[in-house]
Amino acid sequence: EAQVTQNPRYLITVTGKKLTVTCSQNMNHEYMSWYRQDPGLGLRQIYYSMNVEVTDKGDVPEGYKVSRKEKRNFPLILESPSPNQTSLYFCASTLPGGGSQETQYFGPGTRLLVL
Amino acid sequence: KQEVTQIPAALSVPEGENLVLNCSFTDSAIYNLQWFRQDPGKGLTSLLLIQSSQREQTSGRLNASLDKSSGRSTLYIAASQPGDSATYLCAVRRGSSNTGKLIFGQGTTLQVKP
Repeated sequence: EAQVTQNPRYLITVTGKKLTVTCSQNMNHEYMSWYRQDPGLGLRQIYYSMNVEVTDKGDVPEGYKVSRKEKRNFPLILESPSPNQTSLYFCASTLPGGGSQETQYFGPGTRLLVL
Repeated sequence: KQEVTQIPAALSVPEGENLVLNCSFTDSAIYNLQWFRQDPGKGLTSLLLIQSSQREQTSGRLNASLDKSSGRSTLYIAASQPGDSATYLCAVRRGSSNTGKLIFGQGTTLQVKP
């Protein structure tokens, strides 16, 4: 089954404690991205990756890092989490190339609370 | 700057009604437009994708239209059911390829009452 998986699904942490949210897709997609969703602000892109070792900032990259060492994985790293990073995070992937293959697939979300 | 607006923000209808959700965008230079469904606390599920050269797409009881020149898209849901209750998000892909940024609207939260 084609899917994007994220772990953990729920996380409570404290300010300053480094954490990583993993994202993996099994569709051989080149393009992956991270979003955060906040009430009243909608979905905003944090980082994206066009392919292995190619990453770039989205709209709200401050306080986040990413890496793309393999095509299937795109972890999101919070080196020193702060309460304003409390949010619902989504990983997504898509296959550039045309037509119906370009559907954007989303992971189930990771709900993060930073105390 | 591309902005995507969805009206109404919330909608409540009795079961069986046909309904239309609206999405408007400010910049017509889009690559494609997607409609998503989001259930509470869950991820987004793609419903329909319309390429910029297309006018509409259909899937079952859903029909999405696109008028790029006027910056509008609609999602038509026929014979609504309680299971259709969810938040519906419209998103446009900027630029000339599928690697352009995806800009989301705020969503319309739909409640279908039995």
